[in-house]
Amino acid sequence: GESVGLHLPTLSVQEGDNSIINCAYSNSASDYFIWYKQESGKGPQFIIDIRSNMDKRQGQRVTVLLNKTVKHLSLQIAATQPGDSAVYFCAENGNNDMRFGAGTRLTVKP
Amino acid sequence: SQTIHQWPATLVQPVGSPLSLECTVEGTSNPNLYWYRQAAGRGLQLLFYSVGIGQISSEVPQNLSASRPQDRQFILSSKKLLLSDSGFYLCAWSRGGADTQYFGPGTRLTVL
Repeated sequence: GESVGLHLPTLSVQEGDNSIINCAYSNSASDYFIWYKQESGKGPQFIIDIRSNMDKRQGQRVTVLLNKTVKHLSLQIAATQPGDSAVYFCAENGNNDMRFGAGTRLTVKP
Repeated sequence: SQTIHQWPATLVQPVGSPLSLECTVEGTSNPNLYWYRQAAGRGLQLLFYSVGIGQISSEVPQNLSASRPQDRQFILSSKKLLLSDSGFYLCAWSRGGADTQYFGPGTRLTVL
């Protein structure tokens, strides 16, 4: 069946560098996408979303890029900080429900 | 603003004992409510969802049940816990089936 997936299960970056987390989706009918951050032992937190009529959306230190041609979603974190260490996962609203990817663990090295 | 609560935060229970986890939402009416289980290092597994009072849909056959006695209250239960029921349980709410889901803080359940 169609699902949301991730390119990399883990990502390690140096503090101050930029991070890029990727997500592939296969449901071409999806028109709404979300990135969540989940710190250890906590519930997932909404970070940023994007609708399919956009290809880029910026927040505070985060940018989401959507490439509908190749069904690819990415989350960019600028000047990564130790507090950014967490699991990040994407979600899409295909088939009138939300589907979640397994997540990428981001580790920030001091 | 809307908030979602879960309790207890952690729970250690013996095999065969009953379970009751509670989730409540504030600041919204008639939300969709969801129960997920998350195994260590794994993704979210949808267990139950509810679109209204007394309306429960189950995604997977299991040892658990859910109930929604009030509009903003969602309860996850079991009559007899199994070792395999251990995990991190998350409750979430949304305005609709394809809308953003907002998660509670979670309950860490350990069955011994």
